[in-house]
Amino acid sequence: NAGVMQNPRHLVRRRGQEARLRCSPMKGHSHVYWYRQLPEEGLKFMVYLQKENIIDESGMPKERFSAEFPKEGPSILRIQQVVRGDSAAYFCASSPPGRGPDTQYFGPGTRLTVL
Amino acid sequence: DQQVKQNSPSLSVQEGRISILNCDYTNSMFDYFLWYKKYPAEGPTFLISISSIKDKNEDGRFTVFLNKSAKHLSLHIVPSQPGDSAVYFCAESGSRLTFGEGTQLTVNP
Repeated sequence: NAGVMQNPRHLVRRRGQEARLRCSPMKGHSHVYWYRQLPEEGLKFMVYLQKENIIDESGMPKERFSAEFPKEGPSILRIQQVVRGDSAAYFCASSPPGRGPDTQYFGPGTRLTVL
Repeated sequence: DQQVKQNSPSLSVQEGRISILNCDYTNSMFDYFLWYKKYPAEGPTFLISISSIKDKNEDGRFTVFLNKSAKHLSLHIVPSQPGDSAVYFCAESGSRLTFGEGTQLTVNP
């Protein structure tokens, strides 16, 4: 059973460009969480999604950031008009249906660098 | 407002000795705590957890202690091994995980 997959592993963007980060949950998992880790900090919750639904986006910046988890395909975290402060590691986690956040399995992360 | 805090950014111990990592929290409503271990360039992996109805949970070399009156939990690793060198995060599980800042553990051979 493959683990949580994220791609790309490394992404470089110039200021003003768009960044798209993809997350494929573990097989059978229908819950996806996105976290951001800024340098020298812990992971900060961004958004919790189930298939076709955003359950909790209280950790998402109000502008430029959006997330989706379509019926088919991976979850996407989209950052428009990136700024240098968006440089961070972005981690996705998934959990099976009917289970809480304490059963999350994390992907390897995408390291975004904004030049 | 940092609800879960790990005040020691780093810890260095000798192989074979005990490693003690500490974590403080502010919200007494928290009812489930977890420890994650993270190697460079990898995602966090679950290590051990504890429910607020317990004060201790043990799994092999890893033991987590919870002191509810002090709002403090600690992770004990004994004996420590060089492969334990990693960043350790404590987390509270409510509707989502709330992480501390992490402690870099280095176990010297």
